[in-house]
Formats: sequence, structure tokens, C-alpha cells
Amino acid sequence: QVQLVQSGAEVKKPGASVKVSCKASGYTFTSYDINWVRQATGQGLEWMGWMNPNSGNTGYAQKFQGRVTITRNTSISTAYMELSSLRSEDTAVYYCARARARSWFDPWGQGTLVTVSS
Amino acid sequence: QSVLTQPPSASGTPGQRVTISCSGSSSNIGSNYVYWYQQLPGTAPKLLIYRNNQRPSGVPDRFSGSKSGTSASLAISGLRSEDEADYYCAAWDDSLRVFGGGTKLTVL
Repeated sequence: QVQLVQSGAEVKKPGASVKVSCKASGYTFTSYDINWVRQATGQGLEWMGWMNPNSGNTGYAQKFQGRVTITRNTSISTAYMELSSLRSEDTAVYYCARARARSWFDPWGQGTLVTVSS
Repeated sequence: QSVLTQPPSASGTPGQRVTISCSGSSSNIGSNYVYWYQQLPGTAPKLLIYRNNQRPSGVPDRFSGSKSGTSASLAISGLRSEDEADYYCAAWDDSLRVFGGGTKLTVL
């Protein structure tokens, strides 16, 4: 079955970077965009950016421009989201999601909690 | 402040029909499809409705979506206790994806 499995929880200090992985299985990884969405505790969903795994092309929400980088390793069907210059407000669960027709997200990964604390 | 506006909460009793609204603008809902996601407590979001009113396989026909102008709605009929969750609308806005702030549905 189509599945996205993300890496485990992370604890980082302010100013550091974090890299979250998202391993795809059950479909051709290069055929669908991967998107990243985050959710702070008790808050709503916030879209961060997308990547075309075939071309490597990316697009980012303006809020995260310059701080987020989405990459991939097609040989292991894995996408990565790296967020730099972390601050406490970046504490959230980060989700990857496959985009069908580049539009709707299905399925989603299980989420990765990133905690930023000194 | 989310680009798409949803009521923060909604409620209903078992068997009732409830609707959740999602308001946007001409640059998002007005010119693009609307999607709905269900997030059960402690889990990742799940696709509920795509392209305004299409249900993925496995989603009960109790769930339906509609769109008119710059607004959209999610309707849930025959409300069940397991429908208690957060519901989010989403759409394209230019080249970006935007979400509503979410609606917490309580089954009384």
C-alpha cells in the first residue's frame, strides 16, 4: 500500500537546523510531488513547500523562503525537509504528504515532532 | 490568520446533519478546487474530499462537499461519534497551497 514513513522526533537548540526524512513506498516515487506541512500544538495546518522528485524543482511558502530546503534521494525514494535558524516558534509536528494531480494530499506521513528549546 | 476562514467549532448530535463552511477569495476558492481533510485526535490528516465534491474510495457517502463562488461547505449527514475530529479546507492560491484554520467538530 502507498505509505510515507517519516524519521523520528528531534530536539534542537535555537539557531540550529533540523532535517526530517520521508520515505515513500508502494508507488513510483518520482511520479508525484511531495509537500511539507507543519502543525504547532493546538494550531492549524501550515503549508511549507513542495518538490517534484523527478526534476528536483521546488517551491516554498514566502514565510519560509531562505530557511527551508526540500531535497530528495531518488535511489532510496526519500524526500527531506531541512529547516535552518530554528526558533521556539518552529516547535511543531512536521508532515510530508504525496500530492495527487499536484493538488490534493494523499496520503500523509505519520508526522515528526520537532522541539526547539534551549 | 489563515487565508481561508472556517468557524472554529461546530457540533451536533448523533444522526444529525452538520455543515462546516470555508470562505476564501477570488484568488483561491473562487478560481480553484477545494479540498477537505479530517484529522482525528493524535493522528495525521486524511483526505476527505477532493476537487470540491469528490470522495476518495473508502470515505462514506455521509460526507459531501460543495462550492459556490468564493465559499465552500462540507456536509456530514447521519453524524456518528467517530466523526468527532478537526476538519480543514484547502485550496490553491496562485502557486501556493493554503489551508483554513480548522473546525473542531464535537458530537454531543
